[in-house]
Amino acid sequence: DVKVTQSSRYLVKRTGEKVFLECVQDMDHENMFWYRQDPGLGLRLIYFSYDVKMKEKGDIPEGYSVSREKKERFSLILESASTNQTSMYLCASSTSSGVINQPQHFGDGTRLSIL
Amino acid sequence: GENVEQHPSTLSVQEGDSAVIKCTYSDSASNYFPWYKQELGKGPQLIIDIRSNVGEKKDQRIAVTLNKTAKHFSLHITETQPEDSAVYFCAASGTDSWGKLQFGAGTQVVVTP
Repeated sequence: DVKVTQSSRYLVKRTGEKVFLECVQDMDHENMFWYRQDPGLGLRLIYFSYDVKMKEKGDIPEGYSVSREKKERFSLILESASTNQTSMYLCASSTSSGVINQPQHFGDGTRLSIL
Repeated sequence: GENVEQHPSTLSVQEGDSAVIKCTYSDSASNYFPWYKQELGKGPQLIIDIRSNVGEKKDQRIAVTLNKTAKHFSLHITETQPEDSAVYFCAASGTDSWGKLQFGAGTQVVVTP
């Protein structure tokens, strides 16, 4: 089974702090994604990466950056945390091999509170 | 870009009854439609998916139907059980690379005994 692990289940940070959210997958997947989940809004894509050191903006990239130095690890960075970034953050991965549009596999999320 | 609308936002059903969740999408080029179930405290888990060359797919008590002309797809759960209580998300993906998904807003399903 695919395992996507997010380093923290709960995180509390202060306004203005630099925040790192880490995600690791164990299936050698090429693609990795960061979403935020808010009630009534579903999952919204922040950034994704299709290869090491490659990244693309999603629908809501403002205030975020990402890093992918190794294939298995994808980090989300809040450069200067603000209260409107309080949310549930979900990481996912998928493979590019074979049939296009392979399923995405999700971690259990990090609930981030910015005070 | 793609826009996915999902209805209803909440659904309460008696155990044993059927549940239906409907989604519409805007981009006629979308060709992959997964459904995810999210239990409390967990990440979304894929329960079934369908591609645009298929009109219907079943897996035990779960089925998905796709109407490409009308640009809508639906999830059907038969003989609902309390463990079916969760939030369900539909999603759509087009032909661009990397399989980006556009998600619906989610449906909270509550199955009452």
